Amino acid sequence: EVQLVESGGGLVKPGGSLRLSCAAFGFTVSSFSFNWVRQTPGKGLEWVSSLSSRNYYMYYADSVKGRFTISRDDAKHSVYLQMNSLRADDTAVYYCARDMWGGNSGVYDIWGQGTMVIVSS
Amino acid sequence: QSVLTQPPSVSAPPGQRVTISCSGSSSNIGNNYVSWYQQLPGTAPKLLLYDNDKRPSGIPDRFSGSKSGTSATLAITGLQTGDEADYYCGTWDSGLSVYVFGTGTKVTVL
Repeated sequence: EVQLVESGGGLVKPGGSLRLSCAAFGFTVSSFSFNWVRQTPGKGLEWVSSLSSRNYYMYYADSVKGRFTISRDDAKHSVYLQMNSLRADDTAVYYCARDMWGGNSGVYDIWGQGTMVIVSS
Repeated sequence: QSVLTQPPSVSAPPGQRVTISCSGSSSNIGNNYVSWYQQLPGTAPKLLLYDNDKRPSGIPDRFSGSKSGTSATLAITGLQTGDEADYYCGTWDSGLSVYVFGTGTKVTVL
């Protein structure tokens, strides 16, 4: 079955760091671009970051630029989001999503179940 | 802050038709394909439409999409109770080099 499974969420203090992981199953990871999208409970979707196949490009939302880093390890079938200098407004459910066409098509066809990040003292 | 504007909510009785608009600009909808996502309560988003009007495998033809200029529209016909969900449009913004989602629309079946 084609699926994405996120992990690594949890409670962290302001200024702290967290690394989210997204494990892929049922397809060849190296052929696709991946994205992180977050959602504050009760609010809308916010795109966070994109990483192309072969690391050709990576993009970040202004709200996380300089603090978050997206990466991938195709051999481990995984994508990561390193989050540093966390703030209270980073509190959200973080979803990993696959880009359907492998480039930057913006068509997110496979989503994980999400992992919750809570930034609080 | 989203750059794609959707109505906060739409509603209709079962069997009826609803439309959801998504308004953007030339740097996003005007020059890129639009996707639509359905998010049922307590679940992850699901791709509903892509490239403005294409349905992934398994999506019924009750869901359709269109685009004109800097706006896109999602239509749901034969509304069912299982369609109660939040719906989001999304597209790449070439000017900002970011992906943007719409503000989201809650569909209620009366």
